[in-house]
Amino acid sequence: QKEVEQNSGPLSVPEGAIASLNCTYSDRGSQSFFWYRQYSGKSPELIMSIYSNGDKEDGRFTAQLNKASQYVSLLIRDSQPSDSATYLCAVISSGSARQLTFGSGTQLTVLP
Amino acid sequence: GAVVSQHPSRVICKSGTSVKIECRSLDFQATTMFWYRQFPKQSLMLMATSNEGSKATYEQGVEKDKFLINHASLTLSTLTVTSAHPEDSSFYICSAKSRASINEAFFGQGTRLTVV
Repeated sequence: QKEVEQNSGPLSVPEGAIASLNCTYSDRGSQSFFWYRQYSGKSPELIMSIYSNGDKEDGRFTAQLNKASQYVSLLIRDSQPSDSATYLCAVISSGSARQLTFGSGTQLTVLP
Repeated sequence: GAVVSQHPSRVICKSGTSVKIECRSLDFQATTMFWYRQFPKQSLMLMATSNEGSKATYEQGVEKDKFLINHASLTLSTLTVTSAHPEDSSFYICSAKSRASINEAFFGQGTRLTVV
Protein backbone atom coordinates (compact mmCIF):
# COMPACT_ATOMS: atom_id res chain seq x y z
CA GLN A 1 0.00 0.00 0.00
CA LYS A 2 1.30 3.39 -0.96
CA GLU A 3 1.65 5.57 2.12
CA VAL A 4 2.90 8.94 3.17
CA GLU A 5 3.87 9.37 6.78
CA GLN A 6 4.45 12.47 8.84
CA ASN A 7 4.99 13.18 12.52
CA SER A 8 1.61 14.42 13.66
CA GLY A 9 3.12 16.82 16.17
CA PRO A 10 2.09 19.18 17.48
CA LEU A 11 5.32 21.02 16.83
CA SER A 12 5.90 24.29 18.63
CA VAL A 13 8.67 26.73 17.81
CA PRO A 14 9.33 30.28 18.99
CA GLU A 15 8.90 33.16 16.59
CA GLY A 16 11.99 33.65 14.46
CA ALA A 17 13.16 30.06 14.81
CA ILE A 18 13.46 27.42 12.10
CA ALA A 19 10.62 24.91 11.89
CA SER A 20 11.52 21.52 10.44
CA LEU A 21 8.82 19.24 9.07
CA ASN A 22 9.52 15.72 7.89
CA CYS A 23 7.82 13.21 5.64
CA THR A 24 8.57 9.71 4.37
CA TYR A 25 6.87 7.83 1.58
CA SER A 26 6.67 4.20 0.68
CA ASP A 27 6.26 4.23 -3.11
CA ARG A 28 9.80 4.25 -4.45
CA GLY A 29 8.53 5.14 -7.92
CA SER A 30 7.04 8.45 -6.79
CA GLN A 31 8.33 11.43 -8.72
CA SER A 32 6.42 14.47 -7.51
CA PHE A 33 6.29 15.83 -3.99
CA PHE A 34 4.36 18.69 -2.48
CA TRP A 35 3.93 20.59 0.74
CA TYR A 36 0.55 22.13 1.50
CA ARG A 37 -0.47 24.42 4.31
CA GLN A 38 -3.96 24.09 5.75
CA TYR A 39 -5.51 26.52 8.16
CA SER A 40 -8.32 25.24 10.34
CA GLY A 41 -11.57 24.98 8.39
CA LYS A 42 -9.91 25.86 5.09
CA SER A 43 -8.76 23.82 2.13
CA PRO A 44 -5.04 23.18 1.53
CA GLU A 45 -2.89 25.71 -0.28
CA LEU A 46 0.25 24.73 -2.13
CA ILE A 47 3.50 26.01 -0.65
CA MET A 48 6.20 24.07 -2.44
CA SER A 49 6.64 21.40 -5.05
CA ILE A 50 9.85 19.46 -5.61
CA TYR A 51 10.70 16.86 -8.20
CA SER A 52 14.45 16.24 -8.05
CA ASN A 53 16.91 15.39 -5.30
CA GLY A 54 18.36 18.26 -3.34
CA ASP A 55 17.06 21.53 -2.00
CA LYS A 56 14.57 23.97 -3.43
CA GLU A 57 14.19 27.37 -1.86
CA ASP A 58 11.32 29.84 -2.12
CA GLY A 59 11.49 32.77 0.25
CA ARG A 60 11.47 31.49 3.82
CA PHE A 61 10.64 27.96 2.70
CA THR A 62 13.09 25.25 1.68
CA ALA A 63 12.01 21.82 0.52
CA GLN A 64 14.52 18.98 0.60
CA LEU A 65 14.15 15.70 -1.26
CA ASN A 66 16.15 12.50 -0.91
CA LYS A 67 14.70 9.82 -3.15
CA ALA A 68 17.19 7.17 -2.03
CA SER A 69 15.96 7.56 1.54
CA GLN A 70 12.38 8.23 0.41
CA TYR A 71 12.37 11.34 2.50
CA VAL A 72 11.14 14.88 1.93
CA SER A 73 11.28 17.77 4.35
CA LEU A 74 10.19 21.37 4.66
CA LEU A 75 12.14 24.02 6.52
CA ILE A 76 10.53 27.30 7.48
CA ARG A 77 13.03 29.99 8.39
CA ASP A 78 12.22 32.99 10.56
CA SER A 79 8.93 31.38 11.59
CA GLN A 80 6.01 33.73 12.13
CA PRO A 81 2.82 33.24 14.15
CA SER A 82 0.94 33.36 10.84
CA ASP A 83 2.78 30.17 9.85
CA SER A 84 0.80 28.32 12.53
CA ALA A 85 -1.19 25.73 10.60
CA THR A 86 -1.22 22.08 9.65
CA TYR A 87 1.33 21.16 7.02
CA LEU A 88 0.48 18.33 4.68
CA CYS A 89 3.02 16.35 2.71
CA ALA A 90 1.63 14.94 -0.52
CA VAL A 91 3.06 12.61 -3.12
CA ILE A 92 1.95 11.68 -6.60
CA SER A 93 2.09 7.93 -6.91
CA SER A 94 3.71 6.07 -9.73
CA GLY A 95 0.36 4.75 -10.95
CA SER A 96 -1.38 6.04 -14.02
CA ALA A 97 -3.98 8.04 -12.08
CA ARG A 98 -1.33 10.51 -10.91
CA GLN A 99 -3.40 11.24 -7.85
CA LEU A 100 -2.13 12.91 -4.70
CA THR A 101 -1.67 10.84 -1.59
CA PHE A 102 -1.57 12.94 1.56
CA GLY A 103 0.18 12.40 4.84
CA SER A 104 -1.71 12.90 8.07
CA GLY A 105 -0.25 16.37 8.52
CA THR A 106 1.92 18.05 11.14
CA GLN A 107 0.37 20.75 13.28
CA LEU A 108 2.78 23.66 13.71
CA THR A 109 2.40 26.39 16.30
CA VAL A 110 4.71 29.39 16.22
CA LEU A 111 4.75 31.06 19.59
CA PRO A 112 5.02 34.88 19.67
CA GLY B 1 -2.89 30.65 -10.37
CA ALA B 2 -5.92 28.73 -11.52
CA VAL B 3 -9.14 29.17 -9.57
CA VAL B 4 -11.46 26.42 -8.46
CA SER B 5 -14.75 27.48 -6.93
CA GLN B 6 -16.64 25.10 -4.67
CA HIS B 7 -20.19 25.70 -3.51
CA PRO B 8 -21.72 25.73 -0.98
CA SER B 9 -19.08 26.40 1.66
CA ARG B 10 -21.38 25.14 4.41
CA VAL B 11 -24.52 23.08 4.41
CA ILE B 12 -26.69 21.59 7.12
CA CYS B 13 -29.17 18.95 6.10
CA LYS B 14 -31.53 16.52 7.75
CA SER B 15 -30.72 12.85 7.94
CA GLY B 16 -32.07 11.00 4.93
CA THR B 17 -31.94 13.92 2.52
CA SER B 18 -29.50 14.45 -0.35
CA VAL B 19 -26.98 17.23 -0.77
CA LYS B 20 -25.25 18.37 -3.95
CA ILE B 21 -21.83 20.03 -3.91
CA GLU B 22 -20.53 21.83 -6.99
CA CYS B 23 -16.95 22.29 -8.07
CA ARG B 24 -16.16 24.66 -10.92
CA SER B 25 -12.90 25.53 -12.62
CA LEU B 26 -13.21 29.22 -13.44
CA ASP B 27 -10.32 29.90 -15.78
CA PHE B 28 -9.18 26.55 -17.11
CA GLN B 29 -10.56 23.30 -18.42
CA ALA B 30 -10.49 20.62 -15.75
CA THR B 31 -9.92 17.33 -17.47
CA THR B 32 -9.61 15.55 -14.13
CA MET B 33 -11.30 16.31 -10.83
CA PHE B 34 -10.69 14.72 -7.48
CA TRP B 35 -13.04 14.57 -4.52
CA TYR B 36 -11.65 14.29 -1.01
CA ARG B 37 -13.16 13.93 2.42
CA GLN B 38 -11.52 15.13 5.61
CA PHE B 39 -12.68 14.25 9.10
CA PRO B 40 -11.55 16.39 12.06
CA LYS B 41 -7.86 16.07 12.91
CA GLN B 42 -7.33 13.73 9.96
CA SER B 43 -5.81 14.13 6.54
CA LEU B 44 -7.51 14.31 3.18
CA MET B 45 -8.75 10.97 1.95
CA LEU B 46 -9.37 10.58 -1.75
CA MET B 47 -12.91 9.44 -2.47
CA ALA B 48 -12.97 9.36 -6.25
CA THR B 49 -11.34 10.58 -9.43
CA SER B 50 -13.41 11.73 -12.36
CA ASN B 51 -12.42 12.48 -15.90
CA GLU B 52 -14.65 14.62 -18.09
CA GLY B 53 -17.22 12.58 -19.92
CA SER B 54 -16.50 9.29 -18.19
CA LYS B 55 -17.59 7.54 -15.03
CA ALA B 56 -15.79 8.30 -11.81
CA THR B 57 -13.30 5.88 -10.33
CA TYR B 58 -14.01 5.34 -6.66
CA GLU B 59 -11.49 4.46 -3.98
CA GLN B 60 -11.90 1.27 -2.04
CA GLY B 61 -14.54 1.58 0.65
CA VAL B 62 -16.36 4.52 -0.94
CA GLU B 63 -19.93 3.66 -1.95
CA LYS B 64 -20.53 4.83 -5.49
CA ASP B 65 -24.30 4.65 -5.08
CA LYS B 66 -24.15 6.91 -2.07
CA PHE B 67 -21.65 9.44 -3.38
CA LEU B 68 -22.74 10.26 -6.91
CA ILE B 69 -20.19 12.11 -9.00
CA ASN B 70 -20.97 13.79 -12.28
CA HIS B 71 -18.29 15.40 -14.43
CA ALA B 72 -20.39 16.38 -17.40
CA SER B 73 -18.34 19.32 -18.62
CA LEU B 74 -14.75 20.52 -18.56
CA THR B 75 -15.56 23.14 -15.95
CA LEU B 76 -18.02 21.46 -13.62
CA SER B 77 -18.11 18.40 -11.41
CA THR B 78 -20.74 17.65 -8.78
CA LEU B 79 -20.78 15.37 -5.78
CA THR B 80 -24.18 14.34 -4.46
CA VAL B 81 -24.36 12.75 -1.03
CA THR B 82 -27.53 10.68 -1.14
CA SER B 83 -29.55 9.70 1.92
CA ALA B 84 -27.10 11.50 4.15
CA HIS B 85 -26.51 10.30 7.70
CA PRO B 86 -24.72 11.98 10.60
CA GLU B 87 -21.60 9.89 9.96
CA ASP B 88 -21.35 11.58 6.54
CA SER B 89 -20.72 14.89 8.29
CA SER B 90 -17.29 15.96 7.11
CA PHE B 91 -15.29 18.49 5.13
CA TYR B 92 -15.51 17.72 1.42
CA ILE B 93 -12.90 19.20 -0.90
CA CYS B 94 -12.54 19.05 -4.65
CA SER B 95 -9.45 19.63 -6.71
CA ALA B 96 -9.02 19.98 -10.44
CA LYS B 97 -6.26 19.46 -12.95
CA SER B 98 -5.98 20.54 -16.54
CA ARG B 99 -4.33 18.60 -19.29
CA ALA B 100 -1.46 21.10 -19.16
CA SER B 101 -0.84 20.82 -15.41
CA ILE B 102 0.64 17.36 -15.23
CA ASN B 103 1.47 17.57 -11.56
CA GLU B 104 -0.33 20.42 -9.91
CA ALA B 105 -3.97 20.26 -8.87
CA PHE B 106 -5.91 23.28 -7.66
CA PHE B 107 -8.21 23.02 -4.68
CA GLY B 108 -11.66 24.38 -4.08
CA GLN B 109 -12.52 26.10 -0.83
CA GLY B 110 -14.16 23.03 0.65
CA THR B 111 -17.69 22.31 1.87
CA ARG B 112 -18.50 21.68 5.51
CA LEU B 113 -21.40 19.22 5.58
CA THR B 114 -23.32 18.69 8.79
CA VAL B 115 -26.07 16.09 8.85
CA VAL B 116 -28.48 16.41 11.76
